[in-house]
Amino acid sequence: ELKVEQNPLFLSMQEGKNYTIYCNYSTTSDRLYWYRQDPGKSLESLFVLLSNGAVKQEGRLMASLDTKARLSTLHITAAVHDLSATYFCAVDLYSTGNQFYFGTGTSLTVIP
Amino acid sequence: NAGVTQTPKFRILKIGQSMTLQCTQDMNHNYMYWYRQDPGMGLKLIYYSVGAGITDKGEVPNGYNVSRSTTEDFPLRLELAAPSQTSVYFCASRGQGAGQPQHFGDGTRLSIL
Repeated sequence: ELKVEQNPLFLSMQEGKNYTIYCNYSTTSDRLYWYRQDPGKSLESLFVLLSNGAVKQEGRLMASLDTKARLSTLHITAAVHDLSATYFCAVDLYSTGNQFYFGTGTSLTVIP
Repeated sequence: NAGVTQTPKFRILKIGQSMTLQCTQDMNHNYMYWYRQDPGMGLKLIYYSVGAGITDKGEVPNGYNVSRSTTEDFPLRLELAAPSQTSVYFCASRGQGAGQPQHFGDGTRLSIL
């Protein structure tokens, strides 16, 4: 069974600081997705990473993928309050009929 | 752009009642999924479908049934509702091809009392 683990589970950071969220998965895959969920809302797709070494950036968020280490990171630069949300990573396994396996999520709170 | 539409948004059921959660998408996506999200937790896959007429179980299928008679619709049925099924249910769809992200509906918040 594929396991997807995120850490930390909870993150409180000050505005202007940098931090990294980690996503580890247990089975070989070269497709990794990051989603954002605001409280009481649905999930919004942030990044799709499709190969080893892939890097995507949008504003203050940058995601990367190391398929050999089975690790993806979501780096936050100079955090602002609007980034407060829960962030999920997910892995897509073609061999299981395109099921997505989600991590447990990282709840990020950015404080002034 | 409607995307993925779920109805109802909220529902309260009594133990033992049944109901159907509706999900429809207008993006002509082959793949559709049902998840449940318990408070403070990630998403658990209930059922998924890779095309009309094809469905398969996910991680937590017990107590649920699905059907996929059209590309657009993927209803989830709860039979004999139990308190353990209190959750937020999300439907999602995605297009064919590697690396297509899932598009999510707004969710159905279901309480069983």
